[in-house]
Amino acid sequence: DAKTTQPPSMDCAEGRAANLPCNHSTISGNEYVYWYRQIHSQGPQYIIHGLKNNETNEMASLIITEDRKSSTLILPHATLRDTAVYYCIVRVGTNAGKSTFGDGTTLTVKP
Amino acid sequence: DGGITQSPKYLFRKEGQNVTLSCEQNLNHDAMYWYRQDPGQGLRLIYYSQIVNDFQKGDIAEGYSVSREKKESFPLTVTSAQKNPTAFYLCASSILGAPYGYTFGSGTRLTVV
Repeated sequence: DAKTTQPPSMDCAEGRAANLPCNHSTISGNEYVYWYRQIHSQGPQYIIHGLKNNETNEMASLIITEDRKSSTLILPHATLRDTAVYYCIVRVGTNAGKSTFGDGTTLTVKP
Repeated sequence: DGGITQSPKYLFRKEGQNVTLSCEQNLNHDAMYWYRQDPGQGLRLIYYSQIVNDFQKGDIAEGYSVSREKKESFPLTVTSAQKNPTAFYLCASSILGAPYGYTFGSGTRLTVV
């Protein structure tokens, strides 16, 4: 599975959009981009995933560049409860296998 | 409600003792995974299993062992050979054949003294 690169930390004002970037320049054609978040001392929570099209669900939007080498997770109206560590991983979605979770981005939403 | 259960939430053991962490899921997921997380760091894969009675090593399998005798269960044993076992351990499961995400348990925090 390809590796990802994320900034270590970001701040966002409450009520504003939080845009979290992820680079995955070695992604293969059959690998999906997944986003998770982890609130302190809990198990990570799945947020969203995509292959090449932009995706939206009730939690967030995922924008994947046309060359698929990077993506952005968008939380449209960040709240204090969105403060967490956000992980971007890439993996072949239909198989089990080694998935590397890097150190992620610590998002701090401030009042 | 379907989910994945890890027990216990906190575990204390003396150095040199083996300890087994439980992971049970009732989601009918095919694959199961064990990750280790150290303070301030990401998750590292220990073992994973796609099918009953079969499992593969992850990136940091040394000092750990697993079994998959039932689809619902994937226990992890931390052996005395693991040099630095104190960590937060996370179990996850997923469907095979469809690109859904992992479902994680709430974790077991192991402290070896």
